[in-house]
Amino acid sequence: EPEVTQTPSHQVTQMGQEVILRCVPISNHLYFYWYRQILGQKVEFLVSFYNNEISEKSEIFDDQFSVERPDGSNFTLKIRSTKLEDSAMYFCASSEVPRRRYNEQFFGPGTRLTVL
Amino acid sequence: EDQVTQSPEALRLQEGESSSLNCSYTVSGLRGLFWYRQDPGKGPEFLFTLYSAGEEKEKERLKATLTKKESFLHITAPKPEDSATYLCAVWGSYNTDKLIFGTGTRLQVFP
Repeated sequence: EPEVTQTPSHQVTQMGQEVILRCVPISNHLYFYWYRQILGQKVEFLVSFYNNEISEKSEIFDDQFSVERPDGSNFTLKIRSTKLEDSAMYFCASSEVPRRRYNEQFFGPGTRLTVL
Repeated sequence: EDQVTQSPEALRLQEGESSSLNCSYTVSGLRGLFWYRQDPGKGPEFLFTLYSAGEEKEKERLKATLTKKESFLHITAPKPEDSATYLCAVWGSYNTDKLIFGTGTRLQVFP
């Protein structure tokens, strides 16, 4: 069964450093997302991406964040200068058809980011 | 503002003891309600989508229902392997694809 994959599973970094989180969405999906979950809190939306551009972003997704689809399979989230409060589980998700009747989003296993 | 509230926060059941989890929502225009299962340290695993009031979906021991204000996830004769956090999410206002999640119900099923 097709699935979303993410690497690395755990990333430890120093405050102020840049990190890149990687995702391989399901192959025939067109719409991609990043969510995050701070320990003990809700899963919260960061950004959606379609047709090689950002479709929607949340207030959390400020200038330190960026997303990219560098090739036909990968989807990345870059955090330019990490802060302690960026420590969270980051989930990539993908869906087949955007803004239509069906919007099942399938999530990857997540990358746990720890900022020291 | 779209909101999702799940109850109870935690639920302990004996194996075979059926129960229901609740998801109440306020959204300007519901386009879909999703149930996910999340195991510790893992990503949400898709279970069901419900699109209109009165709709029901079933999968093994799980059954999801939807009204205009809430959704229920019914668990019939649960087994220890059903232990997980169950998340509810809504797809709300037009021109958005984001899902708004509740905090989840942590279910523990004891043998």
